[in-house]
Amino acid sequence: AQTVTQSQPEMSVQEAETVTLSCTYDTSESDYYLFWYKQPPSRQMILVIRQEAYKQQNATENRFSVNFQKAAKSFSLKISDSQLGDAAMYFCAYRGYSGGGADGLTFGKGTHLIIQP
Amino acid sequence: NAGVTQTPKFQVLKTGQSMTLQCAQDMNHEYMSWYRQDPGMGLRLIHYSVGAGITDQGEVPNGYNVSRSTTEDFPLRLLSAAPSQTSVYFCASREVGNTEAFFGQGTRLTVV
Repeated sequence: AQTVTQSQPEMSVQEAETVTLSCTYDTSESDYYLFWYKQPPSRQMILVIRQEAYKQQNATENRFSVNFQKAAKSFSLKISDSQLGDAAMYFCAYRGYSGGGADGLTFGKGTHLIIQP
Repeated sequence: NAGVTQTPKFQVLKTGQSMTLQCAQDMNHEYMSWYRQDPGMGLRLIHYSVGAGITDQGEVPNGYNVSRSTTEDFPLRLLSAAPSQTSVYFCASREVGNTEAFFGQGTRLTVV
């Protein structure tokens, strides 16, 4: 079974600074997807960024970018120019492809991100 | 466009009671799933469905039943609620061949 590990239960960063959230995963599959989800106090799960394992180029979405190291099974999220609205729980998630599209998401335990004004 | 709608948003049950958490999506997605989120944990997959009439178990299926009679609806049934089922429940949907899952707002269930 796949596992996803987020080793930082909580991170704090000053507004406008850059912060990196860590995620490692374990899998024997070669094709899979990786995601970062944001969960603000409203409880809504919001997709921040996704990465297909077959793509070597790291995904970028505005201030959010990832560092995907397939051999090391590492998938970190970098948030640049942190804003107060970025404060939330962040979950790293994995989805395999062995089920022909039927695979569910495997989540890490989350990192609570605090933005200091 | 409503997306994924879960009802109710909050519920308190007594041990042994039964109830159904409702989930409906209006995006014509084939794939629907239920997750539970416990404190200090990420979301864990309970059951999923790849289309009407097809369901399968996820990581933590015990104590829960599902059915999928239409593309739009995927209810989750608790037959005899236990305190261990106190959690926040999320429903999600996506196209089978697509990467992005859309989540409902969640249902906070407390079993006393």
